[in-house]
Amino acid sequence: DAKTTQPTSMDCAEGRAANLPCNHSTISGNEYVYWYRQIHSQGPQYIIHGLKNNETNEMASLIITEDRKSSTLILPHATLRDTAVYYCIVRVEDNFNKFYFGSGTKLNVKP
Amino acid sequence: GAVVSQHPSRVICKSGTSVKIECRSLDFQATTMFWYRQFPKQSLMLMATSNEGSKATYEQGVEKDKFLINHASLTLSTLTVTSAHPEDSSFYICSAVDPNYGYTFGSGTRLTVV
Repeated sequence: DAKTTQPTSMDCAEGRAANLPCNHSTISGNEYVYWYRQIHSQGPQYIIHGLKNNETNEMASLIITEDRKSSTLILPHATLRDTAVYYCIVRVEDNFNKFYFGSGTKLNVKP
Repeated sequence: GAVVSQHPSRVICKSGTSVKIECRSLDFQATTMFWYRQFPKQSLMLMATSNEGSKATYEQGVEKDKFLINHASLTLSTLTVTSAHPEDSSFYICSAVDPNYGYTFGSGTRLTVV
């Protein structure tokens, strides 16, 4: 699976949009971009995933660049409960394929 | 959505004893489950892949005799930390794959070896 690069930490004001970048310049054509988050001392929680089109669900939006070498996770109106470590993972969509986690981005949402 | 249940949520054991952690898929069958370990302020590290009815496959550097995995049914995988030592203290997380909802993670087990 392709390697991803994320900033170590980011701050965001409560109520504002949080934009979390991810670089995956070695992504291959059949690899999806997944985003998970982990709130302290809990298991990771699925947020969103996509292949090449932008995706949106009730939690977030995923913007993937046209060359697919990077993506941005957008939390439109961050709340204090969104404070967590956000992981960007690139992998082939296969139920038996493993998830390898990188270091992630610690998002601090501040009042 | 799919739910994966882990038990216990936290456990304290004495050095030299063994500890068993359970991972159950609720409302779906999982032929494959995965076990992760996470040390404080670090990311999740994949330890092994648990396959129903067959031997688990371990990631490089993970001692299979130390971390025994049993996946005896389609809804249950267990991880046993044998002869636990303080350096085994960690947060252990399992995940299972639901055909409809994909990867789902358990809530984790905090192991403290004293």
